[in-house]
Amino acid sequence: DTAVSQTPKYLVTQMGNDKSIKCEQNLGHDTMYWYKQDSKKFLKIMFSYNNKELIINETVPNRFSPKSPDKAHLNLHINSLELGDSAVYFCASSPNLASGSGVGNIQYFGAGTRLSVL
Amino acid sequence: AQKVTQAQTEISVVEKEDVTLDCVYETRDTTYYLFWYKQPPSGELVFLIRRNSFDEQNEISGRYSWNFQKSTSSFNFTITASQVVDSAVYFCALSEVGLGGGFKTIFGAGTRLFVKA
Repeated sequence: DTAVSQTPKYLVTQMGNDKSIKCEQNLGHDTMYWYKQDSKKFLKIMFSYNNKELIINETVPNRFSPKSPDKAHLNLHINSLELGDSAVYFCASSPNLASGSGVGNIQYFGAGTRLSVL
Repeated sequence: AQKVTQAQTEISVVEKEDVTLDCVYETRDTTYYLFWYKQPPSGELVFLIRRNSFDEQNEISGRYSWNFQKSTSSFNFTITASQVVDSAVYFCALSEVGLGGGFKTIFGAGTRLFVKA
């Protein structure tokens, strides 16, 4: 029973293409995130959604568009892929964002999607 | 502004040695949370510990221990009697409530730990 699952695990594509990465969590969490990890392992938040609403958008190019059809899903669509988009993308989820005194902001990560743009 | 510094890029030890991974953070908030995550060679990110800013008690979990000192803005992680399976990249992270009300988490650059048999 995978708690946070991402598909696909690997994605190889040409520059200029459009691609999507899907993320689903079965933990009942309210908040979901997308992170980008570059080749030097630096991990940076891209987006955060709470109950399907965007709450954090970190200066990400508008070629990246997250979509949250329901609170268990947060998909990432990337238009006009560029070489610099090559990275590992991680989806994560956490419980109710307001319950910081509990476990509200412990994030559980998916296994990652390795995107290679050729 | 938030900042997390893990000054040690790579550490190499021999099995059974103790090793400490350093983490220094910067924040203007009085309420914040600190984390350590482990990323083994398989690539997944595994939660290890969370500490809130009001709880400076040190914590021990098996061979792992954490030392949180607000006076020096540090949250260091010690592995006692290291094992080959501890080889991984370890990330320290700082979380605060962001502008939109959600938590914004900043990760350090990570420390790659090699444990040799």
